[in-house]
Amino acid sequence: TQLLEQSPQFLSIQEGENLTVYCNSSSVFSSLQWYRQEPGEGPVLLVTVVTGGEVKKLKRLTFQFGDARKDSSLHITAAQPGDTGLYLCAGDRNNAGNMLTFGGGTRLMVKP
Amino acid sequence: DAGITQSPRHKVTETGTPVTLRCHQTENHRYMYWYRQDPGHGLRLIHYSYGVKDTDKGEVSDGYSVSRSKTEDFLLTLESATSSQTSVYFCAICKQGARANQPQHFGDGTRLSIL
Repeated sequence: TQLLEQSPQFLSIQEGENLTVYCNSSSVFSSLQWYRQEPGEGPVLLVTVVTGGEVKKLKRLTFQFGDARKDSSLHITAAQPGDTGLYLCAGDRNNAGNMLTFGGGTRLMVKP
Repeated sequence: DAGITQSPRHKVTETGTPVTLRCHQTENHRYMYWYRQDPGHGLRLIHYSYGVKDTDKGEVSDGYSVSRSKTEDFLLTLESATSSQTSVYFCAICKQGARANQPQHFGDGTRLSIL
């Protein structure tokens, strides 16, 4: 059972379009982390959201943590080919050892 | 750069053979993790370690064992590899694992194919 459901699984858009990726769960997390992964490499952290309702911006990327800390979203404005990659959300359930539960990932392709 | 090296980067082996993957870090962090990544499943935790000789199981630990005899090395062993263990394996560290909400830093993965 996937505790964190990511949608969509795949997304192919044209350069300049906007998009939103969703990460949903029935469980409460102490934080949600978003990672980006490129082929042949490990995931790299983009942002951590900790407080319910929190919004963080990273250039054209906007991350939001749901008020109940069960869901999160990633919105990309004016997508560029360099945004292409696999986006992963990961929830920290505040357990000892910082173990993360990952969503299934969203594979984004931005065409020029 | 978190100083994580995984070896080998690629391996092809046959069903029933033992396989050991190595994760080496240069910064002496206590917390280390092994994940497997399969399409549609994101990353799933196999085992983790919170110090030398201190390890515990993750959500998909069946068929895998780990050892940590030195802070810098965390080994993952498939005692008798099966085709279902074909996957990409990632090692990760947490630089402040005793604190909540800390990110993990990943190696570049080992692509393992079991024929």
